[in-house]
Amino acid sequence: GESVGLHLPTLSVQEGDNSIINCAYSNSASDYFIWYKQESGKGPQFIIDIRSNMDKRQGQRVTVLLNKTVKHLSLQIAATQPGDSAVYFCAEMMGGGSQGNLIFGKGTKLSVKP
Amino acid sequence: KAGVTQTPRYLIKTRGQQVTLSCSPISGHRSVSWYQQTPGQGLQFLFEYFSETQRNKGNFPGRFSGRQFSNSRSEMNVSTLELGDSALYLCASSWGMNTEAFFGQGTRLTVV
Repeated sequence: GESVGLHLPTLSVQEGDNSIINCAYSNSASDYFIWYKQESGKGPQFIIDIRSNMDKRQGQRVTVLLNKTVKHLSLQIAATQPGDSAVYFCAEMMGGGSQGNLIFGKGTKLSVKP
Repeated sequence: KAGVTQTPRYLIKTRGQQVTLSCSPISGHRSVSWYQQTPGQGLQFLFEYFSETQRNKGNFPGRFSGRQFSNSRSEMNVSTLELGDSALYLCASSWGMNTEAFFGQGTRLTVV
């Protein structure tokens, strides 16, 4: 079946550098995408979302890019801080679906070196 | 505004027993979804409720069930527990369809 996958299972960056976490999705019907951050012992925390009618969306220190042509999603974190260390998940939702159609990728672990 | 609250946080059960987990969504949110998270399978969708009706169901056996009350609070139940049911069970709430979903801290279930 179609699924969301991540290119890199682990990512290690230096504090202050920018981080880029990638995600590939295969369901062309997906039109809503969310990035979550999960710290150890906690539930996933909503970071940013984007709908398929957009290519880019910016938040505080984070930017999500959507390339529908190659079905690719990325999360950019500017000036990465130790507090950004966590597992990051991308999730997709099919068009017209309810929140229950949220399909998660396996996750990328981001480690920030001081 | 309080976030999504799940109780209990931790639970240890024996094989064959049943368990009930509770989720209180963010005030005003009418959609509640449940997910199972394991190291091997990641986050997998269990089911979703909206206005007391199950709207979607994931690919889990009938031992997994849930319900939603008129105040949007939700419970999920797992009967005849198996060792493989050990996982972090997460509840997420949202206002409606295709809107931001916010997660609770989860209930860590260990089956021994």
